[in-house]
Amino acid sequence: DVQMTQSPSSLSASVGDRVTITCQASRDISYYVNWYHMKPGTAPRLLIYSGSNLETGVPSRFSGSGSGTDFILTISSLQPEDFGTFYCQQFDHLPLTFGGGTKVEMK
Amino acid sequence: QVQLQESGPGLVKPSETLSLTCTVSGVSLSRYHWSWIRRPPGKELEWIGYIFYSGSTTYNPSLKSRLSMSVDTSRSQFSLNLSSVTAADTAVYYCASTGSNYEFDNWGQGTLVAVSS
Repeated sequence: DVQMTQSPSSLSASVGDRVTITCQASRDISYYVNWYHMKPGTAPRLLIYSGSNLETGVPSRFSGSGSGTDFILTISSLQPEDFGTFYCQQFDHLPLTFGGGTKVEMK
Repeated sequence: QVQLQESGPGLVKPSETLSLTCTVSGVSLSRYHWSWIRRPPGKELEWIGYIFYSGSTTYNPSLKSRLSMSVDTSRSQFSLNLSSVTAADTAVYYCASTGSNYEFDNWGQGTLVAVSS
């Protein structure tokens, strides 16, 4: 299975901060990564698909980049509704696998 | 607007079968593959498998021997059966639509299933 290692596992940030979350794959997966946001009590939300494509309706402050083994999710200006946990997911190889998550908390 | 809702028992006894149903509204089942995903307490998200409206399935090998999925297009539902459960199967279970990039673009809110006697 492809292992997805996210870092950091948690971070504290303030509204307006630029936030970067990284995801490293255990082998080359081209650009085959998706990113999600999860908050307690709500359905998870797809943010980015295929490495860098913004899902319809997702604010442009979210962006994804990277290829091969290293991927980045960037939030250009953190908003109050962005707190929660972010996950990467690879789809180059079955079984589909996720990173361990990055919990973003308010500083 | 695509909506998914999981339903099923919140408590299952060890060695029994965990059964969940996902009801889909706002889209035809033929539009996507349909996945189950779970998150055990304190652990990572785990993709369980997916089913197409035709009934064809792809399962996570780690669960394949205990897993069965089905689809009922007349009710716009798909289902999960996981047999011989143990405490390790305690998790929040999600259903989700699965697009052409294997992205989970619509999710249910999740349902907690505890395995305990």
